[in-house]
Amino acid sequence: EDQVTQSPEALRLQEGESSSLNCSYTVSGLRGLFWYRQDPGKGPEFLFTLYSAGEEKEKERLKATLTKKESFLHITAPKPEDSATYLCAGAGGSNYKLTFGKGTLLTVNP
Amino acid sequence: ETGVTQTPRHLVMGMTNKKSLKCEQHLGHNAMYWYKQSAKKPLELMFVYNFKEQTENNSVPSRFSPECPNSSHLFLHLHTLQPEDSALYLCASSQENYEESGDTQYFGPGTRLTVL
Repeated sequence: EDQVTQSPEALRLQEGESSSLNCSYTVSGLRGLFWYRQDPGKGPEFLFTLYSAGEEKEKERLKATLTKKESFLHITAPKPEDSATYLCAGAGGSNYKLTFGKGTLLTVNP
Repeated sequence: ETGVTQTPRHLVMGMTNKKSLKCEQHLGHNAMYWYKQSAKKPLELMFVYNFKEQTENNSVPSRFSPECPNSSHLFLHLHTLQPEDSALYLCASSQENYEESGDTQYFGPGTRLTVL
């Protein structure tokens, strides 16, 4: 059974304090590893898709990386508006099914 | 805006009511999904439709009944729900391409459902 585990469950940072979120996965035949951002009461907002180990993608203060067992979301000099829940999901096999982690709740204090 | 809309945004219903959730995507995608999101739990896939055909029913109770009349619209019909069905119901769509991998799913804003 495919599994995605995110850590930590919650992370509190000061503005400007860089850190990383972890996503460990066991997904058979990984087709893609996805990162989403979700604000309270809203749907997940797509951030990145990573397809193969060694791949990196960046967007503003965020950079996502992928190895054969885990993915990291690096946040550089975060701002309060980066506060949200960050979700990781893996797609594997020949179907359309995404397996999600429980998410990391990030709070950035000014 | 992601191009996926959901109505209503909030719904309160009794256990004997019948209601429907609506999802519409304006992205030209060929696959649509229903997810349930409960507190402290990962998103749970409920149903998948690809080219209007249901391709997955993830062991969902029969009190949830999906309908996909065309590739742009998706409904979730609700009847005789239980309080534990209270959750955020999310619709998503994607363009499934058999020659590529990892097609991105785009989510709507969700319907917050409360069952009394």
